[in-house]
Amino acid sequence: KAGVTQTPRYLIKTRGQQVTLSCSPISGHRSVSWYQQTPGQGLQFLFEYFSETQRNKGNFPGRFSGRQFSNSRSEMNVSTLELGDSALYLCASSGGQGGSGANVLTFGAGSRLTVL
Amino acid sequence: DAKTTQPNSMESNEEEPVHLPCNHSTISGTDYIHWYRQLPSQGPEYVIHGLTSNVNNRMASLAIAEDRKSSTLILHRATLRDAAVYYCIFWRAASYDKVIFGPGTSLSVIP
Repeated sequence: KAGVTQTPRYLIKTRGQQVTLSCSPISGHRSVSWYQQTPGQGLQFLFEYFSETQRNKGNFPGRFSGRQFSNSRSEMNVSTLELGDSALYLCASSGGQGGSGANVLTFGAGSRLTVL
Repeated sequence: DAKTTQPNSMESNEEEPVHLPCNHSTISGTDYIHWYRQLPSQGPEYVIHGLTSNVNNRMASLAIAEDRKSSTLILHRATLRDAAVYYCIFWRAASYDKVIFGPGTSLSVIP
């Protein structure tokens, strides 16, 4: 079956712009979570959605937002980009109720954002 | 928070077994232990997970200590394709914000 698809794979923006990243989960998965990965901070949790509702949110400023659609596809948006937002943004999907511990995460390949 | 401790790096010869340790002293009784690995330029990939008993799958084995405060990922015969960063985490039910991916262990496989 198809894996988790993230688009775009690479993008370059300038400071002050905004960006929208997309994630299509595995068919049937209703939980989608987002992560930021940087060399200095490692993998950090951004937020998690289940059935169009945000259930969990990490410690990131309000410039980072997301949403989930009825088909479970998810988008994340970063407004007023800063140089420090340059990172690999990963999304993962999970089946069942998501995050129960018994369910595993399937990650996409990520979207590499460079802010100049 | 759900923090784990792993060695920063390890080396193994090709075709030999590898034991990757992880400490998770703050784990609670209902937390599952998960292992993921990340190859260069890819997203993390699921390896194995378990609750209390040792687990085996086609990729690896997971040995969980009796007190559950530590675990070991066992790759039975390391191949060059196993060179990756290995992350050990434990999952508190639906509490994604409590899950912390540490720096992981960077495994090098020597031909």
